[in-house]
Amino acid sequence: EVQLVESGGGLVQPGGSLRLSCVASGFSFSRYWMHWVRQAPGKGLGWVSRINNDGSWTTYADTVKGRFTISRDNAKNTLYLQMNSLRVEDTAVYYCARVGYCSGGSCRGMDVWGQGTTVTVSS
Amino acid sequence: QSALTQPASVSGSPGQSITISCTGTSSDVGAYNYVSWYQQHPGKAPKLMIYDVNNRPSGVSNRFSGSKSGNTASLTISGLQAEDEADYYCSSYTSSSTEVFGTGTKVTVL
Repeated sequence: EVQLVESGGGLVQPGGSLRLSCVASGFSFSRYWMHWVRQAPGKGLGWVSRINNDGSWTTYADTVKGRFTISRDNAKNTLYLQMNSLRVEDTAVYYCARVGYCSGGSCRGMDVWGQGTTVTVSS
Repeated sequence: QSALTQPASVSGSPGQSITISCTGTSSDVGAYNYVSWYQQHPGKAPKLMIYDVNNRPSGVSNRFSGSKSGNTASLTISGLQAEDEADYYCSSYTSSSTEVFGTGTKVTVL
């Protein structure tokens, strides 16, 4: 079964750090680009970051650039999101998602999602 | 990067067709044929319904279809069913090599 399982969420004070993990199974993880997407309570989806299949190219939303770092360990089938200098507005469910469709050097369409892990930033 | 604009809500009766719009700019929706649509039921993870404007992943009902004109993409659900009641989000690749989601649309089946 193709599956993504996130972990690492929790309660943290403003200015603190957390590292989220996303373990992939049931597919060849090293072949796929991956995203992190978040959803604040009662709000819509917000894109956070993307990484290509070998980790050589990463992009970030302006709201997290310089504070968050996406990375991956293909040997461990694991995607990471290091979150530093956390703010109250970073409170959300964080999802990892696989990018399913590639052509012409780009990949689109998040076709497999994890169940999400909750991050709460509060004093 | 501003969110793409979607109507807050759309409703229809069973069997009817509805269309959800997704308006962006010439730097995202209008620049690439890289628009995706996602369905999200309460408390669940999103599900990919359409990618690259009008392509359906395997297993997605052919009642769902996508299109694009200029800076606006659209998702049409035909033969509306009770199980289609959910939130729907569009997304697009951008000229900054980022992604942007839409504001989301709540679909209600009357």
